[in-house]
Amino acid sequence: DSGVTQTPKHLITATGQRVTLRCSPRSGDLSVYWYQQSLDQGLQFLIQYYNGEERAKGNILERFSAQQFPDLHSELNLSSLELGDSALYFCASSKDLASPGNEQFFGPGTRLTVL
Amino acid sequence: LAKTTQPISMDSYEGQEVNITCSHNNIATNDYITWYQQFPSQGPRFIIQGYKTKVTNEVASLFIPADRKSSTLSLPRVSLSDTAVYYCLPLRAAPISGAGSYQLTFGKGTKLSVIP
Repeated sequence: DSGVTQTPKHLITATGQRVTLRCSPRSGDLSVYWYQQSLDQGLQFLIQYYNGEERAKGNILERFSAQQFPDLHSELNLSSLELGDSALYFCASSKDLASPGNEQFFGPGTRLTVL
Repeated sequence: LAKTTQPISMDSYEGQEVNITCSHNNIATNDYITWYQQFPSQGPRFIIQGYKTKVTNEVASLFIPADRKSSTLSLPRVSLSDTAVYYCLPLRAAPISGAGSYQLTFGKGTKLSVIP
């Protein structure tokens, strides 16, 4: 158990819908990261927040957005869902910015299925 | 951004030593090499990290030559439970102050299959 929690574990929805994935980082961690993992794309970095502020952006679509709240939990919002958005979505956290010595701890993931 | 190249897959028998090499030709001076392990349907887990020469912990060893253009993760005496995907990730030291932007590129990793 990494100490990072994600809810829900599974999510099944239809195309065009909007969903929210939630992540609670490890106690004391200020950075939260979101990743998408689909079968053919590997692990893709989406976005990072540090102490409530967006810090880095990766391959995140405009239909996707995220935020980190004052209690440091984070939410990833996915809208206008398409079949290709079906994937495992991981949240990770680290004490500080991702850097040597500040390893990322990953949550168990949320499996999103878009029908 | 340093781009990495790893073999897509590797097979090994139980009890053997496995070496997985990652190529990172354009690695930056302040990049560290970090390796993660991922089991099916689980999040990746940190294994080891190094800057140069050799680093060893209870799980693995990491060899980085002087030119730092590649690194080799060495898993001694693998068991069936080591079957997983292994990712090589150059990680840059974060800026001390100011807004920084950096990518965290895991790539597709190396799928290691351990055979009984």
